[in-house]
Amino acid sequence: DAGVIQSPRHEVTEMGQEVTLRCKPISGHNSLFWYRQTMMRGLELLIYFNNNVPIDDSGMPEDRFSAKMPNASFSTLKIQPSEPRDSAVYFCASRPQRSLQETQYFGPGTRLLVL
Amino acid sequence: AQSVSQHNHHVILSEAASLELGCNYSYGGTVNLFWYVQYPGQHLQLLLKYFSGDPLVKGIKGFEAEFIKSKFSFNLRKPSVQWSDTAEYFCAVSPNRDDKIIFGKGTRLHILP
Repeated sequence: DAGVIQSPRHEVTEMGQEVTLRCKPISGHNSLFWYRQTMMRGLELLIYFNNNVPIDDSGMPEDRFSAKMPNASFSTLKIQPSEPRDSAVYFCASRPQRSLQETQYFGPGTRLLVL
Repeated sequence: AQSVSQHNHHVILSEAASLELGCNYSYGGTVNLFWYVQYPGQHLQLLLKYFSGDPLVKGIKGFEAEFIKSKFSFNLRKPSVQWSDTAEYFCAVSPNRDDKIIFGKGTRLHILP
């Protein structure tokens, strides 16, 4: 099993540019989570999906952030326009939905730097 | 709102010292509890979890945690740490009927060789 795959691993962009982060969950996992990790705020849940449907996006910081899951094997997190305060590590995690007691498996993260 | 508090932001120990990292949560109902570890430059990995049953949970690499319901605590312990335990440790809680996991802000553990 390849685990959760994220791309790119590193992204450097200028303020105002659009940024798209990608995630491929583990095959067969029904739930997908996007997190943001910063020194100041720790690990924050941004949004999660069950069976490709967004369930809770209350953690999305602003309208500049959007996430989609067009199918069971792919999700994107988009920031448009990006700002320096968006600089962080963004993690994707997936989990089988056989029961709520299943573990989340994290991807390697995308380290984003907005100049 | 649910929250998780980790008492120490940064801990420095020598090898072979005993470790205890504190974690408290605020949620009145039944919860699932987790400790995750993030080694330098790596992604989060599950260290151990508690769902029900024996409140003393044993995880990988000699770690264990004890759930004390009356204290809303889930402290992580290891009797003798190694240099390779240098990492950031995250306590997390998930209400039993919820998909969401709420993470603490993490404790950076630095082990001196």
